[in-house]
Amino acid sequence: EPEVTQTPSHQVTQMGQEVILRCVPISNHLYFYWYRQILGQKVEFLVSFYNNEISEKSEIFDDQFSVERPDGSNFTLKIRSTKLEDSAMYFCASSGGTGVPGELFFGEGSRLTVL
Amino acid sequence: EDQVTQSPEALRLQEGESSSLNCSYTVSGLRGLFWYRQDPGKGPEFLFTLYSAGEEKEKERLKATLTKKESFLHITAPKPEDSATYLCAVQVWTGTASKLTFGTGTRLQVTL
Repeated sequence: EPEVTQTPSHQVTQMGQEVILRCVPISNHLYFYWYRQILGQKVEFLVSFYNNEISEKSEIFDDQFSVERPDGSNFTLKIRSTKLEDSAMYFCASSGGTGVPGELFFGEGSRLTVL
Repeated sequence: EDQVTQSPEALRLQEGESSSLNCSYTVSGLRGLFWYRQDPGKGPEFLFTLYSAGEEKEKERLKATLTKKESFLHITAPKPEDSATYLCAVQVWTGTASKLTFGTGTRLQVTL
C-alpha cells in the first residue's frame, strides 16, 4: 500500500540552527501538507502546497518556515532558526489521488527536539 | 473560527464492552469529517470520512455516524488492540486545498 515517508524520524538540534525535514508523498497525489503536534496537544495545520506554491498557511507558519518541492518526489519543510517552542512532532501528509476525495494520508512523523 | 471538541478525553473499557466517542464541531463550510487513529509516537492513520448528515461508515468493530453538529465513533466489542487515541477532524475547502482542524482526541484503553 502506498505510504508517505518522512526523514529523519528524530532530530535533535541547538536553538538557532537550521533544520530541514523531508517527506516523500504518495506518488500520484497533488496536494501536500505539513502539520505539527506539540507533545500532549492537538495536531495543528501548518501549510498546504499545490501546483508548486503555498495554497494556505496558518499563523504558526511565519517567516522562519519555508516549504519546497525540489524535485518530482520530495517535499521539504525548513525551519531557518529554530526556537525551543519548535520542539514537536512534524507530520507530512498528501491527498488528491484516486482514493477517497480529500482523504489525507499522514507519514509517521519527524520528532524535532530543540535544545 | 472552526472548533472541534472531543469527549471524553480518556476512556477505559473492558474487552467486549461497547461504547461511543463523541466529536462536536462548529465550522463554516464543512467539506468532510474525518476520523483517525493515532498510536503513541506515530502519525494519524485514516479510518473514515463522512460528508453528509445521516451518513454512516463501518470498519471491523468501528462505526462512524454524522449529524449536522456532531459525529460519533461507536466501538462494538472492543479488543485490546483497539487501544489508541482516536482523533476527529473537520475538513474545510479553502479554494485550492483542504485544511483539517483536529480535536484533542479521545485516549481509549481496552483491558482484558
